[in-house]
Amino acid sequence: QKEVEQNSGPLSVPEGAIASLNCTYSDRGSQSFFWYRQYSGKSPELIMSIYSNGDKEDGRFTAQLNKASQYVSLLIRDSQPSDSATYLCAVKGTASKLTFGTGTRLQVTL
Amino acid sequence: KAGVTQTPRYLIKTRGQQVTLSCSPISGHRSVSWYQQTPGQGLQFLFEYFSETQRNKGNFPGRFSGRQFSNSRSEMNVSTLELGDSALYLCASSPGHGDFNSPLHFGNGTRLTVT
Repeated sequence: QKEVEQNSGPLSVPEGAIASLNCTYSDRGSQSFFWYRQYSGKSPELIMSIYSNGDKEDGRFTAQLNKASQYVSLLIRDSQPSDSATYLCAVKGTASKLTFGTGTRLQVTL
Repeated sequence: KAGVTQTPRYLIKTRGQQVTLSCSPISGHRSVSWYQQTPGQGLQFLFEYFSETQRNKGNFPGRFSGRQFSNSRSEMNVSTLELGDSALYLCASSPGHGDFNSPLHFGNGTRLTVT
């Protein structure tokens, strides 16, 4: 079992719709969770962090965490073509290193 | 505040050679982590340095090594290059002290091609 799992996609959503990206992790002791966005040929950039169960909203982005189910998700409301990128889920586990999923490619269509 | 700076941006080497990559963290950050990114494997953790000491290590062979200097700048070295070492190498920094909840901030990466 991979430490952090994501569906590789592509996930295709029409402009204006809600994109839902999911991630599961294996280390039950994990405490910090992050979502990064990576455009093709660029380095990852942080878009959200979440540490407690529940929802955390920042503009059009909402991160959701359920530690009992070992599940993290990212919702993007009113998706724009500029949101088309690969979204990386990252988890900081008990070893304190940050482990990344392989990413979900999101395509927002006009 | 300047971001994480990696040099060089691109490198082409031949099999058997060695290579050194450099990373300057964000000012005040004392932790530097290195990752290898390939299309098939995604971001793979190489190692993390804090205060000139390796704090964490990933599952890479001994050909991959690193070090950190007193000014927090870091270098990683790959010896006896193999074709499979072709990848984007990313450096990331964080404050490093009591920063369990701190995210990593990435540099632009070094694209290494081994021929």
